[in-house]
Amino acid sequence: EVQLVESGGRVVRPGGSLRLSCAASGFTFDDYGMSWVRQAPGKGLEWVSGINWIGGSTGYADSVKGRFTVSRDNAKNSLYLQMNSLRADDTAVYYCARVNGPLEAYYYSMDVWGKGTTVTVSS
Amino acid sequence: DIQMTQSPSTLSASVGDRVTITCRASQSISSWLAWYQQRPGKAPKLLIYDASSLESGVPSRFSGSGSGTEFTLTISSLQPDDFATYYCQQYNIYSTFGGGTKVEIK
Repeated sequence: EVQLVESGGRVVRPGGSLRLSCAASGFTFDDYGMSWVRQAPGKGLEWVSGINWIGGSTGYADSVKGRFTVSRDNAKNSLYLQMNSLRADDTAVYYCARVNGPLEAYYYSMDVWGKGTTVTVSS
Repeated sequence: DIQMTQSPSTLSASVGDRVTITCRASQSISSWLAWYQQRPGKAPKLLIYDASSLESGVPSRFSGSGSGTEFTLTISSLQPDDFATYYCQQYNIYSTFGGGTKVEIK
């Protein structure tokens, strides 16, 4: 079964750091780019970041640029999101998703999604 | 940045109705557009990609059309499972989602 499972979400203080992980199974992980998408409580979807199949190309939304870093370990079938200088408006459910496009793509339509992990930034 | 505007934000409909949701891009995105369905508490589900290609396993009552700046998602005959929120997403330059359209029971 094709599956993505996120972990690492928790309550963190403003200004703190957190690393999210996404474990992939059921498909050849290094055949796909990957993305992170978040959803604040009661709000819509926001693309956060993406990375191509080998990690050579990455991209970020303006709202997180300079604070978040996406990476992957193909040997471990895992995707990561390092989040620094966290703010209250980073509070959201964070989803990892498989990019449904060319190998080099880090943004495209997304055909497989995890269930999400919740990040709460609060003092 | 490319802005995506969906309309309406809420739509009331009955089972069997034909439903159309519109998504407009602030600049041309060719056909680089996807549609997703999200039920409460669940992850989004891909319905349509490249503006009009139906994702595998998605019922044929869902269809997408458009190119450039104006796009539509049509549900030909609304079913009970279809009451949900729908999002468009552009992937021409980075990625941006529309604000969502909630389809509720009339």
